[in-house]
Amino acid sequence: GAGVSQTPSNKVTEKGKYVELRCDPISGHTALYWYRQSLGQGPEFLIYFQGTGAADDSGLPNDRFFAVRPEGSVSTLKIQRTERGDSAVYLCASSSLGQRTDTQYFGPGTRLTVL
Amino acid sequence: KQEVTQIPAALSVPEGENLVLNCSFTDSAIYNLQWFRQDPGKGLTSLLLIQSSQREQTSGRLNASLDKSSGRSTLYIAASQPGDSATYLCAPHSGSARQLTFGSGTQLTVLP
Repeated sequence: GAGVSQTPSNKVTEKGKYVELRCDPISGHTALYWYRQSLGQGPEFLIYFQGTGAADDSGLPNDRFFAVRPEGSVSTLKIQRTERGDSAVYLCASSSLGQRTDTQYFGPGTRLTVL
Repeated sequence: KQEVTQIPAALSVPEGENLVLNCSFTDSAIYNLQWFRQDPGKGLTSLLLIQSSQREQTSGRLNASLDKSSGRSTLYIAASQPGDSATYLCAPHSGSARQLTFGSGTQLTVLP
């Protein structure tokens, strides 16, 4: 009965490095979302998966960002050549979209700091 | 592009007061609207989801209203408690992905 989990909870990296952030959604939820939250702001949409495919990646800021969900459950957000401006909290949410409710449930987030 | 505004940005009230948080959005073509609370350094906790066909949704001391045509929602909190202190965010579901669009939130402080 666990909720959405995200690992790591904190990630510190150096400018130019590659990072991977993991999201484990609620069991049975077919829809998975990634958002990014900068300090003092509300979260901003990055990408949406329905099943295994990225159904909408219009929120990804540039081609350094990529996400996968190969088996329709766990998702990984990948950031190449990190920049200081990528520092933020990355949030994952899941829902049973298309089923009974569209409520999105959020994980605790991964705080990414790029030095 | 959906834009969300929340007023006020911050609010401080004494314990026991009833209060209203306001949310407005620019694109009325929404599916649903969710209200969340966020505690410092934490993720988002869903409080209520109100469907586009509904006018109101209640959960305990919380009541959310939705006027889709005018692009407004309010969150009413009855008999506020210090434990209600948090940032409250509203987010309509819109777009092909039904993604959430957030405002900057209302930071609520309930004084004991």
